[in-house]
Amino acid sequence: DVKVTQSSRYLVKRTGEKVFLECVQDMDHENMFWYRQDPGLGLRLIYFSYDVKMKEKGDIPEGYSVSREKKERFSLILESASTNQTSMYLCASKQADRGSGETQYFGPGTRLLVL
Amino acid sequence: QKEVEQDPGPLSVPEGAIVSLNCTYSNSAFQYFMWYRQYSRKGPELLMYTYSSGNKEDGRFTAQVDKSSKYISLFIRDSQPSDSATYLCAMSGWEGKLIFGQGTELSVKP
Repeated sequence: DVKVTQSSRYLVKRTGEKVFLECVQDMDHENMFWYRQDPGLGLRLIYFSYDVKMKEKGDIPEGYSVSREKKERFSLILESASTNQTSMYLCASKQADRGSGETQYFGPGTRLLVL
Repeated sequence: QKEVEQDPGPLSVPEGAIVSLNCTYSNSAFQYFMWYRQYSRKGPELLMYTYSSGNKEDGRFTAQVDKSSKYISLFIRDSQPSDSATYLCAMSGWEGKLIFGQGTELSVKP
């Protein structure tokens, strides 16, 4: 079974703090993703990575950055946390596309509260 | 207009009922269609995966895709309280970028 783990289930941070969210997958997947999930808005893609040291902006990258130094690990960084970044953050991974629409596997999520 | 539209519910049904969950989409390039189930305070888990048009059945679950109408459905037969969750449709084209619906919250009452 694919396993995607996230470093924290719940986090409380203060406005202006730098926040690191870690994600690790154990299936040697090339692609990794960070989403945020908000009521009424569904899942929105923040950043994704096709391979080590590669990153691409998703639909809502503002206020976030990412790091992928190793294949199995993908980090999301909130440079200066703000209250509108309070959300559920979901990491996902999948194999590189081989023309058959490989599916994404999700971690359990991190609920971040910014005060 | 959003690329994928899903009725957010909430939907409440009695145990044993047939449940129909639906999504419409606007992008004709979508080829891969998925349904994810998300229990409260958990990450989404893949429930059904369908390529192009047609039906796929897995136990009590049936996924239907009608590309001509840009409409997908998930049917749950003999619904159980353990089916209570949020159901997310998702779809992608050849490039693999998933677009999600907003999710439908389902509650199955014993």
